[in-house]
Amino acid sequence: EVQLVESGGGLVQPGGSLRLSCAASGFTFSSSWMTWVRQAPGKGLEWVANIKEHGSEKYYVDSVKGRFTISRDNAKNSLYLQMNSLRVEDTAVYYCVRYRGMDVWGQGTTVTVSS
Amino acid sequence: DIQMTQSPSAMSASVGDRVTITCRASQGISNYLAWFQQKPGKVPKRLIYTASSLQSGVPSRFSGSGSGTEFTLTISSLQPEDFATYYCLQLYSYPLTFGGGTKVEIK
Repeated sequence: EVQLVESGGGLVQPGGSLRLSCAASGFTFSSSWMTWVRQAPGKGLEWVANIKEHGSEKYYVDSVKGRFTISRDNAKNSLYLQMNSLRVEDTAVYYCVRYRGMDVWGQGTTVTVSS
Repeated sequence: DIQMTQSPSAMSASVGDRVTITCRASQGISNYLAWFQQKPGKVPKRLIYTASSLQSGVPSRFSGSGSGTEFTLTISSLQPEDFATYYCLQLYSYPLTFGGGTKVEIK
């Protein structure tokens, strides 16, 4: 079964950092572009970042450039999102998604940025 | 950036109704468009990819059409389990952008 499981969310103060993880199983992770998508409370979906199969290409939405870093460890079948200089507006559920047409989504992990 | 304008933002419909949701791209995106369904508290689920291809396991009452700048998602006969929010997504160029969503409610 194809599965994505996120972890690492929590409550953090503005300006703080958090690292999200996503464990993949059931497919060839190293052959898949991967994606992070977020959804603020009561709002729509927002694409955050993409990473190519071996990490050589990365893309970000403007609002997180310079603050967030997407990375992966193919040996561990894992995707990461390092989030620094967090802002209140980064509060959201963060989903790990297989980029192949965005066909497989994790259950999401909640990030709350608040003082 | 490509803007995706989805309409309507909300609608009321009855079981059995034919429902059409539209997504317009601010520039041509060929057929690089997907549709998602999201129920409250649940994970988004892909319904349609490459504008008109039905995701495996999705009922055939769902269909997608369009190319270029105008796209539609049609539910031919609305069922109780279809009340949800629907989103389009362009995968043509970065940044990837979602439409604002269409909430389909019970009339």
